[in-house]
Amino acid sequence: GAGVSQTPSNKVTEKGKYVELRCDPISGHTALYWYRQSLGQGPEFLIYFQGTGAADDSGLPNDRFFAVRPEGSVSTLKIQRTERGDSAVYLCASSLTATRGLGGDEQYFGPGTRLTVT
Amino acid sequence: EDQVTQSPEALRLQEGESSSLNCSYTVSGLRGLFWYRQDPGKGPEFLFTLYSAGEEKEKERLKATLTKKESFLHITAPKPEDSATYLCAACRAAGNKLTFGGGTRVLVKP
Repeated sequence: GAGVSQTPSNKVTEKGKYVELRCDPISGHTALYWYRQSLGQGPEFLIYFQGTGAADDSGLPNDRFFAVRPEGSVSTLKIQRTERGDSAVYLCASSLTATRGLGGDEQYFGPGTRLTVT
Repeated sequence: EDQVTQSPEALRLQEGESSSLNCSYTVSGLRGLFWYRQDPGKGPEFLFTLYSAGEEKEKERLKATLTKKESFLHITAPKPEDSATYLCAACRAAGNKLTFGGGTRVLVKP
């Protein structure tokens, strides 16, 4: 079946601009996650949704970052007033469940959106 | 604070030369230890989940093991197509976020 998809694959923007990054999870997956990966490092957690609600947003670096998942499927990560330090690959993942013991809590990742802020 | 450390940072192997990657973790109440493979320009690809100390899982030339403080990914008789970055990640019992290590870049030369 189809995996997690992310659009755009690449985004170049100027410092100070607003950007939106989209994630389409695997059909039927109730949990959705956003991570950020800088070159040569492991992914860093940003936010996790269970259904439509943000269950854990402790990884969002500041209030310029915001994410939504209004219908419990597609999610959008929004970054306001972008800074050069925001440049990274933004990864989205989804899992069937978020509860150990039921199985299906492994997270499947999309290809990422490479964001470059000039 | 949860911490995951992987070693070595990079590993160069000859085809057929078996080796092990280490993942040390400090997590309050581990729920699961995950291994992923990442190719350049792509997202991480799920390999294994380990839940309990002593658990082992295998897939082709890869075998993952778990203790109370570490996990190992053993690569047996690797082939050039096993070249990738291998990431481990820990998930605590309370919550669902993965804390990743920095990865081990593996290059297998023919």
